[in-house]
Amino acid sequence: DTAVSQTPKYLVTQMGNDKSIKCEQNLGHDTMYWYKQDSKKFLKIMFSYNNKELIINETVPNRFSPKSPDKAHLNLHINSLELGDSAVYFCASSELAHYEQYFGPGTRLTVT
Amino acid sequence: GESVGLHLPTLSVQEGDNSIINCAYSNSASDYFIWYKQESGKGPQFIIDIRSNMDKRQGQRVTVLLNKTVKHLSLQIAATQPGDSAVYFCAENWGAGSYQLTFGKGTKLSVIP
Repeated sequence: DTAVSQTPKYLVTQMGNDKSIKCEQNLGHDTMYWYKQDSKKFLKIMFSYNNKELIINETVPNRFSPKSPDKAHLNLHINSLELGDSAVYFCASSELAHYEQYFGPGTRLTVT
Repeated sequence: GESVGLHLPTLSVQEGDNSIINCAYSNSASDYFIWYKQESGKGPQFIIDIRSNMDKRQGQRVTVLLNKTVKHLSLQIAATQPGDSAVYFCAENWGAGSYQLTFGKGTKLSVIP
């Protein structure tokens, strides 16, 4: 069983479009995260959710919005896509008050 | 050898040799550190962690060393294997009640068969 899963794995879209990336974890974790990894492999946290409450937002443009329908899901919605949004996006989860995060396989977003 | 520059730092080692991957962390108040391995096309995977009250921790074929004086972390891999080829990240937690991880730039390890 996949612990943290993301769909789709690849997403190619045009500038100005709106898209969503889904994330699900079956670990029973309380906290979920979204990271952006650029072409130089630099990983930067975007959001984390704890029991449906946003607890971190690292100055990400408001075109990005996390949506958590329940504890096991944290989806990432992106409005008005720009070229600079092209990257690999990773979802992760952790137990409450634990450091170790479990990552999903990533979604490669390409904006043309 | 190791190259550092605008591109991802790369370390090339011969199969069977030991590897040492270095990381300079940013916050002297950080109280927890973790190493992740990211294989091509996959998400980062936990390797080993260490708390700031320790200076060494060993796992299976891996050892993490922490030098708080110079804010330096290293990952040693014994008897490096082709399956160890990946990008390795160190991450730190800044403490103060947050469990957020701040990741370093990553080092690409290439194992020469």
